[in-house]
Amino acid sequence: QVQLVQSGAEVKKPGASVKVSCKASGYTFTSYYMHWVRQAPGQGLEWMGIINPSGGSTSYAQKFQGRVTMTRDTSTSTVYMELSSLRSEDTAVYYCARGGVPAAILSWFDPWGQGTLVTVSS
Amino acid sequence: QSVLTQPPSVSGAPGQRVTISCTGSSSNIGAGYDVHWYQQLPGTAPKLLIYGNSNRPSGVPDRFSGSKSGTSASLAITGLQAEDEADYYCQSYDSSLSGSRVFGTGTKVTVL
Repeated sequence: QVQLVQSGAEVKKPGASVKVSCKASGYTFTSYYMHWVRQAPGQGLEWMGIINPSGGSTSYAQKFQGRVTMTRDTSTSTVYMELSSLRSEDTAVYYCARGGVPAAILSWFDPWGQGTLVTVSS
Repeated sequence: QSVLTQPPSVSGAPGQRVTISCTGSSSNIGAGYDVHWYQQLPGTAPKLLIYGNSNRPSGVPDRFSGSKSGTSASLAITGLQAEDEADYYCQSYDSSLSGSRVFGTGTKVTVL
């Protein structure tokens, strides 16, 4: 079955960077775009960006441009999201979510990873 | 800030029908982009509930239905059950935000 398994919770100090991983299994890794979405405590969902695991091209939400980098490792079917210059407002659960249709850049998100809590605190 | 607006909460007794609206604009829903819906049970990751405005993935009960008209979309839950108590989010694409996917503000469904 299709599964996305994310790395464990992180605690970081303001100004630091965090790198979250998302390992995919159960499908052809390079056939589906991957998205990152975050959710601050008690808040709604916020789209961060998308990566094409096939060629590695990315597109980021304007809010995160300059601070976020999404990469992939096709040998391990893993995508990564690195967020730099962390501040307290970046405390959130970060999710990876696969595009629902092969090779479709505009698609729904299905399935989702289990989420990774990133806490930014001094 | 979300560009898709949902009511913060809706409630209903078991067996009743509730609807959740998702209001957008001419740069997202009104431009013809599809709307998708997600259910988020407490403490869990969101789960796809409706895709392409009105399609249910396999395994989603037919109590859930979606529709879209103009600059808005709706999710209906008929025969409300206790396990439907969750947060619900709509999602679409916005052409004015540099390739951005956008989510609704979210709606908490309470089963009385």
